[in-house]
Amino acid sequence: SQQGEEDPQALSIQEGENATMNCSYKTSINNLQWYRQNSGRGLVHLILIRSNEREKHSGRLRVTLDTSKKSSSLLITASRAADTASYFCATDNFGNEKLTFGTGTRLTIIP
Amino acid sequence: SQTIHQWPATLVQPVGSPLSLECTVEGTSNPNLYWYRQAAGRGLQLLFYSVGIGQISSEVPQNLSASRPQDRQFILSSKKLLLSDSGFYLCAWSSGQFGGYTFGSGTRLTVV
Repeated sequence: SQQGEEDPQALSIQEGENATMNCSYKTSINNLQWYRQNSGRGLVHLILIRSNEREKHSGRLRVTLDTSKKSSSLLITASRAADTASYFCATDNFGNEKLTFGTGTRLTIIP
Repeated sequence: SQTIHQWPATLVQPVGSPLSLECTVEGTSNPNLYWYRQAAGRGLQLLFYSVGIGQISSEVPQNLSASRPQDRQFILSSKKLLLSDSGFYLCAWSSGQFGGYTFGSGTRLTVV
């Protein structure tokens, strides 16, 4: 079953703008991760945020986590054409090392 | 450095034929190994995972099976493929310390 649900399902923005994607989940987690998938390829791990963290940065990526609302957001600043991909959140539940993935947000950056 | 190999990249198989997809990991020992399936435009569904040789946990009852004959080898099999087995199959590994997964490049399976 899907644990995470991303919102929006699809997002198109102009190059240089910021892109924000949201993820909601249902059960308590150990950590939440974001992945990127280029069309027809495997997933690439972007960033991991633990349940006791509220915000994390990695280059142009900023992730927030609100465990009280069971939600997370991924912000990509100064978007580039190469950021065009699908983005998935995944949760790693306590005592369980199986990642459960959401349905993804398809991001298109318009040059 | 650790690498993960998954093959073949694409596969077209007739209904009723057998299947064997292989995944190997290099540069690490005793990894956790996973098989996921992704339907077109959808999220990932966990099929099997393994925390050690010969230890397989199945997430979804179906027409598939998995085996781990060696520490860094994970095989997905079927005796008789169904049309519904079509999809994008992804192998992944993790260190088992609640960290990120590293995915293979995937196998696009089309059952005709």
